[in-house]
Amino acid sequence: DAGVIQSPRHEVTEMGQEVTLRCKPISGHDYLFWYRQTMMRGLELLIYFNNNVPIDDSGMPEDRFSAKMPNASFSTLKIQPSEPRDSAVYFCASSSDLSTGTTFSYEQYFGPGTRLTVT
Amino acid sequence: GQQVMQIPQYQHVQEGEDFTTYCNSSTTLSNIQWYKQRPGGHPVFLIQLVKSGEVKKQKRLTFQFGEAKKNSSLHITATQTTDVGTYFCAGSSNDYKLSFGAGTTVTVRA
Repeated sequence: DAGVIQSPRHEVTEMGQEVTLRCKPISGHDYLFWYRQTMMRGLELLIYFNNNVPIDDSGMPEDRFSAKMPNASFSTLKIQPSEPRDSAVYFCASSSDLSTGTTFSYEQYFGPGTRLTVT
Repeated sequence: GQQVMQIPQYQHVQEGEDFTTYCNSSTTLSNIQWYKQRPGGHPVFLIQLVKSGEVKKQKRLTFQFGEAKKNSSLHITATQTTDVGTYFCAGSSNDYKLSFGAGTTVTVRA
């Protein structure tokens, strides 16, 4: 398996422009997560999906951010309009529920990330 | 909400020495996971601990989950240059949201 695929790997854009980040999860995984990583705030969960349905978007910073998962093999994170403070590395991760009757278990596989710079 | 604190933030280690990084949660966790991120890379899953007092080993790495399931530690023996990177703990409370600690960034002096 190729692992989680993200595109683009690097994005440089001007303030006010729309940015779309893309993610292809590992085939068969039914959970997908979007994270943002900065030096100041560390690794933050933005939103996660289960079977293509958004479950928790409480980490999405504001209305400028939106995420979709139209099918099991594709998700997007969109920022419109972008601002310099959105500059960060955005990771997509996927996982499969390995839980048994008494043990809650899963592990997340991260993609290589998209480094976004907004000038 | 759930917060996971991790110390130290930086660890400078002489090659061959041991070190430990610690993780503490404000709430009881159902499980704790550890990830490693190499410079310029992405987090890579190392291990998950579920049971109170659980100890797991991976070669030179020893992971422990506290009895109260609110703290965890990672101990590395005989540090090597390949251990360079940032180690994150991440806690979960019976859902699929992971709260990541700030990480311990490890550098090694040869």
